[in-house]
Amino acid sequence: SSELTQDPAVSVALGQTVRITCQGDSLRSYYASWYQQKPGQAPVLVFYGKNNRPSGIPDRFSGSSSGNTASLTITGAQAEDEADYYCNSRDTSGNHLGVFGTGTTVTVL
Amino acid sequence: EVQLVQSGAEVKKPGESLKISCKGSGYSFTSYWIGWVRQMPGKGLEWMGIIYPGDSDTRYSPSFQGHVTISADKSISTAYLQWSSLKASDTAMYYCARRESKWSPGDYWGQGTLVTVSS
Repeated sequence: SSELTQDPAVSVALGQTVRITCQGDSLRSYYASWYQQKPGQAPVLVFYGKNNRPSGIPDRFSGSSSGNTASLTITGAQAEDEADYYCNSRDTSGNHLGVFGTGTTVTVL
Repeated sequence: EVQLVQSGAEVKKPGESLKISCKGSGYSFTSYWIGWVRQMPGKGLEWMGIIYPGDSDTRYSPSFQGHVTISADKSISTAYLQWSSLKASDTAMYYCARRESKWSPGDYWGQGTLVTVSS
């Protein structure tokens, strides 16, 4: 079972802001990374570490962390942001392979 | 341009062996880790293990240790994931991903290889 818990689904109106959260004890010590996965496609890294966005990822994607919770925020959600989102971090033993969160499906209304 | 290109879909019977591949290009293959990720039908992502092609240092997730073998041939910039005896429960999509270090996230991903195991 995953040590990182995410809400199964969230919805957001077009152009509004949505926050996707990821909870787990390991997040008190390690940063999370975030992946977007659209149906039938491979995951794409959208945010990682304290404040890192890969080249080509829109700046409407941002990340934050507090206590045992990491968050990915989409500010001004677009239709193309509709996807599954997974957080990833080391597990509580510090295993560098890491563990993925349970995943959140984001629907843009 | 960094690319990871995986081998094509496979249909196998239980008990058969299988080796799928992930060929890297556009970067120094021996300077980055390659990880393998499983995604079972309708389910989430799981790291299976990682390998550093430069010296073949390999780490496995406890869940997959002993069930799969990860290897790499740096002469042809290709990493492999193999099974000696497939089970129906191995039916899944498998992705490879590049990692800058063993601590880093996967920054580039292959397109995935669908493995179907059915009698």
